[in-house]
Amino acid sequence: GAGVSQSPRYKVAKRGQDVALRCDPISGHVSLFWYQQALGQGPEFLTYFQNEAQLDKSGLPSDRFFAERPEGSVSTLKIQRTQQEDSAVYLCASTKRGGANTGELFFGEGSRLTVL
Amino acid sequence: DAKTTQPTSMDCAEGRAANLPCNHSTISGNEYVYWYRQIHSQGPQYIIHGLKNNETNEMASLIITEDRKSSTLILPHATLRDTAVYYCIVQSGGFKTIFGAGTRLFVKA
Repeated sequence: GAGVSQSPRYKVAKRGQDVALRCDPISGHVSLFWYQQALGQGPEFLTYFQNEAQLDKSGLPSDRFFAERPEGSVSTLKIQRTQQEDSAVYLCASTKRGGANTGELFFGEGSRLTVL
Repeated sequence: DAKTTQPTSMDCAEGRAANLPCNHSTISGNEYVYWYRQIHSQGPQYIIHGLKNNETNEMASLIITEDRKSSTLILPHATLRDTAVYYCIVQSGGFKTIFGAGTRLFVKA
């Protein structure tokens, strides 16, 4: 497709389960971002990839969160031993450029995670 | 990156211009002003950005004051589909785009 694709759109997990969220960026886009958005809040930065390199993971809330982009295209955000406070929409975005000025972000529709 | 201040919410009548203000009094010379919007249950969508000059595209106009301490996003003829949260972001060209709480715009028939 032409846009950023995320799956699943909705995920319900029991507390303690592991989840994996997938992002397919726009083809050829160098940079990929993950954001977390709690209800009623703006998106919060989690991590950034330039191609396959994870250049910033300062926003990941704990070591239960792990992201990868092994071939510089598709990315997966994994959350281990989910907790209720992990309930949020997880947004993926990509941009054409890397480096110091990545330009406008193109977002997917997000994956809504609910932890019971 | 500089912080921004936006009103929490605004109303606008359908067909009228919507003027969304943003204060960024600590902006530095190399920082751009970006605007995104987020319609309910969707990801944010890029609208426009600028450095010093006013900018216009098919979606909106961006007016930046001469001292660059504030800006206004203008939707010239708001429609019901423009109801969304609008985010004003100041970015120095680094890769980390920081979102605030934004302005909830309600366009009313």
